[in-house]
Amino acid sequence: GIQVEQSPPDLILQEGANSTLRCNFSDSVNNLQWFHQNPWGQLINLFYIPSGTKQNGRLSATTVATERYSLLYISSSQTTDSGVYFCAVEPGDDMRFGAGTRLTVKP
Amino acid sequence: DAGITQSPRYKITETGRQVTLMCHQTWSHSYMFWYRQDLGHGLRLIYYSAAADITDKGEVPDGYVVSRSKTENFPLTLESATRSQTSVYFCASRGSDSADYGYTFGSGTRLTVV
Repeated sequence: GIQVEQSPPDLILQEGANSTLRCNFSDSVNNLQWFHQNPWGQLINLFYIPSGTKQNGRLSATTVATERYSLLYISSSQTTDSGVYFCAVEPGDDMRFGAGTRLTVKP
Repeated sequence: DAGITQSPRYKITETGRQVTLMCHQTWSHSYMFWYRQDLGHGLRLIYYSAAADITDKGEVPDGYVVSRSKTENFPLTLESATRSQTSVYFCASRGSDSADYGYTFGSGTRLTVV
């Protein structure tokens, strides 16, 4: 099956710093999404981005489908950005998740 | 209430018992999914459904049964619960056209099998 690799696995930042999270996938996909799981366990959809670039406030994402990777940028990080960020891809009808990047933002 | 709701939020059951986790969505999304989340394994797909009366296995279907007689409901049944099925279970849904591909997750059910 398709492999989804996220890096880094863990990231610790000071508030205000910027970061880039990476997602590599092993095969072509129909759909790619980024999710944030907050410390209470809730999964929030950040971006649906099978290709191209999108921005939402301090967050932006870029997917280069031909090279099979996606990047999530977080600028001016805040403590509320802490949690786990998941990349997920749909090779067919069903979505498969990477192992996530655990982000800790310190005040 | 609009959205996707899971029940119960917490459940403790004994080994060998049958237990059903409920998932209900109000958007008439055609696709619904069940995932389990375990430490060290991330989220793994158990079953999914593309429409009422259509279901397919995911990565880890053994020991689980699903049904989808109505578009809005997608219950997950553990036929004979085992300790290895202790996990947090998430239900999700999405639409079938590109404007509605974003997944929305329920709040999860934390299941403990003792």
